[in-house]
Amino acid sequence: GAGVSQSPSNKVTEKGKDVELRCDPISGHTALYWYRQRLGQGLEFLIYFQGNSAPDKSGLPSDRFSAERTGGSVSTLTIQRTQQEDSAVYLCASSSTDKSYEQYFGPGTRLTVT
Amino acid sequence: AQSVSQHNHHVILSEAASLELGCNYSYGGTVNLFWYVQYPGQHLQLLLKYFSGDPLVKGIKGFEAEFIKSKFSFNLRKPSVQWSDTAEYFCAVSPLSGGYNKLIFGAGTRLAVHP
Repeated sequence: GAGVSQSPSNKVTEKGKDVELRCDPISGHTALYWYRQRLGQGLEFLIYFQGNSAPDKSGLPSDRFSAERTGGSVSTLTIQRTQQEDSAVYLCASSSTDKSYEQYFGPGTRLTVT
Repeated sequence: AQSVSQHNHHVILSEAASLELGCNYSYGGTVNLFWYVQYPGQHLQLLLKYFSGDPLVKGIKGFEAEFIKSKFSFNLRKPSVQWSDTAEYFCAVSPLSGGYNKLIFGAGTRLAVHP
């Protein structure tokens, strides 16, 4: 079946612009995660959605970052007034209720802020 | 703060050599432990996991990892590597206090296997 998809695969934007990154999780997966990977570093947790529960936003680095998940499926990560330090690969993952430990990752969106 | 340390950032081996990648974590409570792998041009995928029970766990492609609680370690091993094992390997922990599998990742180890 289809895996986690993300779009765009690459995004170059100017400092100060807003960007939206999209994630389509695996159909039926109730949990969705966003991570950020800066060059040469591990993945940093950003935000977690589970069903209709309030999301865990504890990993969002600043109030310029926000995310939503519509209808329990597609999620959008929005970065406002982008800064150069926002340049990274943004990864989305999803997992099912019965195997919540196994996260399936998408290919990521490489964001470059010039 | 919770953190995961991977001691080797780059490892170069010849085929048939043995592999051990170190991973240590800092968290005093109960954790789930994972190794993820990213082959060139592919997505991150789960290699193996430890929740409880036998501290020696086996994953796909002949990999295994041993959880040593006293050392807060979860090292990855393979007796004989192949060229196809060339990839980046990430250790991750999930503190159970969070109630879900929020993963904390190490910085990763790039493994290059030469034929």
